[in-house]
Order: sequence, then structure tokens, then C-alpha cells
Amino acid sequence: NAGVTQTPKFQVLKTGQSMTLQCAQDMNHNSMYWYRQDPGMGLRLIYYSASEGTTDKGEVPNGYNVSRLNKREFSLRLESAAPSQTSVYFCASTPLMGSGRGNEQFFGPGTRLTVL
Amino acid sequence: AQSVSQHNHHVILSEAASLELGCNYSYGGTVNLFWYVQYPGQHLQLLLKYFSGDPLVKGIKGFEAEFIKSKFSFNLRKPSVQWSDTAEYFCAVNSGGGADGLTFGKGTHLIIQP
Repeated sequence: NAGVTQTPKFQVLKTGQSMTLQCAQDMNHNSMYWYRQDPGMGLRLIYYSASEGTTDKGEVPNGYNVSRLNKREFSLRLESAAPSQTSVYFCASTPLMGSGRGNEQFFGPGTRLTVL
Repeated sequence: AQSVSQHNHHVILSEAASLELGCNYSYGGTVNLFWYVQYPGQHLQLLLKYFSGDPLVKGIKGFEAEFIKSKFSFNLRKPSVQWSDTAEYFCAVNSGGGADGLTFGKGTHLIIQP
């Protein structure tokens, strides 16, 4: 049981390049999330998928797209990377059982992305 | 929109000192409240959570937090800190249904001096 896994761990891009960050969970969770973490800003929600087949924008969606490929996988795509997207990206998932109250989110190890 | 405010961005304590980290949130409806910890180089781990019942919740590693609804607060406490508690601490909230993403505070960087 690996929990939430993310690939790659590190990536350096040039401005304008594109890439996809991969996330997978093996806990049969319903909901998945993408956050970015910047110094002094905490974590901010980019996109989320409450259930397979649905995606919604979070607080900072501009410049990103997502795909909920199946129940296990939720990818984040940068179509044209910008230096402002230099950040650490975390994927998370939650089972969202019952009423949904109190379901914690489980986080992956993160992807450190640098855009030059 | 929800927001979370953590009062202290950097805290330095000596081992065995008591700890209290403040957290206030703004949201008028039913909330779920969380404290997460991020040890250096690691991903976020849940310390404790509150969504209903006893407002004093106990978490892992001797941490506890008290939910005070009238003050919109969820402060984290530990009676005696250890060097291994050096980490970044985040308070987070989401709405009652739980499907929404978490809204995080900006974090508190805690350094424990031996």
C-alpha cells in the first residue's frame, strides 16, 4: 500500500515548455486534489476532483489543466510553463465516506518544479 | 470564501517549553478543522482533526487542539516540546461536506532548540 504517489520528484523546465505531473493513489479514495506550496503562502488549491468524472477549479487554477483519468489517477498539466509556476506541487486524496465530515486528506511526497 | 489565519509565522522554543500555535478561520457554516505537520523534506501528515463532538481533540505525538466556536479558533497546543517537533505546522479548514479542497493558513515554522 503505497498511499499517494507522485512523479516526477523534481523537474526543471524552460519558460513555454509543457509537462504533466502524475498522481496516483491506491487507497480507493473518491476525491483527489492538487495544491501548490510557495514560501510564506501555505498550500493553495489548484484543482480538485470530488469523484471520478468530475473536476472543479480551486483558488489558483490559471495556467493549469487536470484530468481524472480513472478513480486512481489525477494528472496536472502545465501547457506553457511560466516562472510564476515555480513551486512545490502536492497531490492529495480523501475517501469522502459517509457524510464526508472529518475525512482527512492524505498527501503525496510532492514534485519540486523550477521554471527558468 | 473561507480563510485561515495563523498568528505566528516563526516560533523558536527551547526543549520542554510549552507550545501554543494560534489559528483562526472565517466561515459561517459547518466546518472541518485540521492541523497538519510537515517535517523537513517530508510530505504533510495529519496531527489531529475536529468535525464534531468534544471540542478538545487529541492527536499524535502529544498534540491537542481546542475548537472554540465563538472565537472561530482552533489553537494547537503541546505541554512540552521536543527537538523532533521542529517542523512547519499548518492549520486547515474545509466546509461541512468535506469534498471541497482544504483552505490552509500560511503556516508556522517551529524551531526547537536543544
